[in-house]
Amino acid sequence: AQKVTQAQTEISVVEKEDVTLDCVYETRDTTYYLFWYKQPPSGELVFLIRRNSFDEQNEISGRYSWNFQKSTSSFNFTITASQVVDSAVYFCALGLGAGGYNKLIFGAGTRLAVHP
Amino acid sequence: EPEVTQTPSHQVTQMGQEVILRCVPISNHLYFYWYRQILGQKVEFLVSFYNNEISEKSEIFDDQFSVERPDGSNFTLKIRSTKLEDSAMYFCASSEIPSSYNEQFFGPGTRLTVL
Repeated sequence: AQKVTQAQTEISVVEKEDVTLDCVYETRDTTYYLFWYKQPPSGELVFLIRRNSFDEQNEISGRYSWNFQKSTSSFNFTITASQVVDSAVYFCALGLGAGGYNKLIFGAGTRLAVHP
Repeated sequence: EPEVTQTPSHQVTQMGQEVILRCVPISNHLYFYWYRQILGQKVEFLVSFYNNEISEKSEIFDDQFSVERPDGSNFTLKIRSTKLEDSAMYFCASSEIPSSYNEQFFGPGTRLTVL
């Protein structure tokens, strides 16, 4: 089965706290891609990062960092020193196959509320 | 920066009516997708389209749904006879080929409300 699980439905933090959003995926494919998207209150889907299954290097982009661990099938996302503008729903997604035509399988999303 | 556009941003319709949601993918992209997000729920894949035919469709994409690329720029999703449960945000996406990263670029969405 191909599945993405985001166990945290909602997280509430105070500004400047660090927060980690968990993502666990399931697939039997050896080639796959992992993504994080942000959905602010305005509703659009904003691409944050992609990772392919052969690249387990962690990545940092400003206050954002991602930890990909194939051994535990996890692709967690950390926001350091959170800000109110980070308040949104965050979706982890799994893309399958090497081609460009495959669907994305989304997790249920984690709603992050950052309070001043 | 090129982007996927969708029209209208919000459509209200009566149950049983036909609706057509429109998308203009990024111009050099060859793969097109529709996803649906019922309010407060996750984003669900509906259909992928390549070379003027459906590549894959989900269980949600039944006979009431159809997609078309009527010209070189538009990509449409038609719902023949809308039901209350079709109320959702519909996202169009496109991706380039060859793409080693399978990145899909999403449009801003069309919110469909069925009354």
